[in-house]
Amino acid sequence: GDSVTQMEGPVTLSEEAFLTINCTYTATGYPSLFWYVQYPGEGLQLLLKATKADDKGSNKGFEATYRKETTSFHLEKGSVQVSDSAVYFCALIINQAGTALIFGKGTTLSVSS
Amino acid sequence: NAGVMQNPRHLVRRRGQEARLRCSPMKGHSHVYWYRQLPEEGLKFMVYLQKENIIDESGMPKERFSAEFPKEGPSILRIQQVVRGDSAAYFCASSLPEISGSYEQYFGPGTRLTVT
Repeated sequence: GDSVTQMEGPVTLSEEAFLTINCTYTATGYPSLFWYVQYPGEGLQLLLKATKADDKGSNKGFEATYRKETTSFHLEKGSVQVSDSAVYFCALIINQAGTALIFGKGTTLSVSS
Repeated sequence: NAGVMQNPRHLVRRRGQEARLRCSPMKGHSHVYWYRQLPEEGLKFMVYLQKENIIDESGMPKERFSAEFPKEGPSILRIQQVVRGDSAAYFCASSLPEISGSYEQYFGPGTRLTVT
């Protein structure tokens, strides 16, 4: 079945460090890929997305590239801030179905000053 | 443009009581999804609705859970005879019709249900 696998956390970094959160997927169809962020006590916010192979999604300094050959969508940021501390979820949706998002388990990021 | 609204934000129920969770989608959105987040886990899909229709309920437990999205008013997720295992955060999301070509789902702030 369709699934998303994320690296387990927590990820603990110092401010201005480089961030990578790995995400790989298995999909029977041709998916769109997303990263969502959840701040403590809040709902999910869409961080970035990519809808086809080699697309790069970017927002607020975060980037992720849709790699069909490696079925990956790794999240990166060159210099993290304390305010980036949150839980990050990788997710996919099968375009043909257009229904449920399938989420990874989430990766907790903690950034200290 | 208001986002997806959910209420209540926090709900406490004793075992055996009923829980009703409400979701108002974004303006112009006709599709509603409910997800459940158990502690330390990702979100799991429960049900997908359009106005007056349940399109996909493959993630919904067979008993005690039901959902509706009436012609007027918010979508309701109802849990009857709650048990401690129902304690979780329940998130609603909405999206534009598929014809728009957009698959983005916008999430509400969630309802945190605690069963005592």
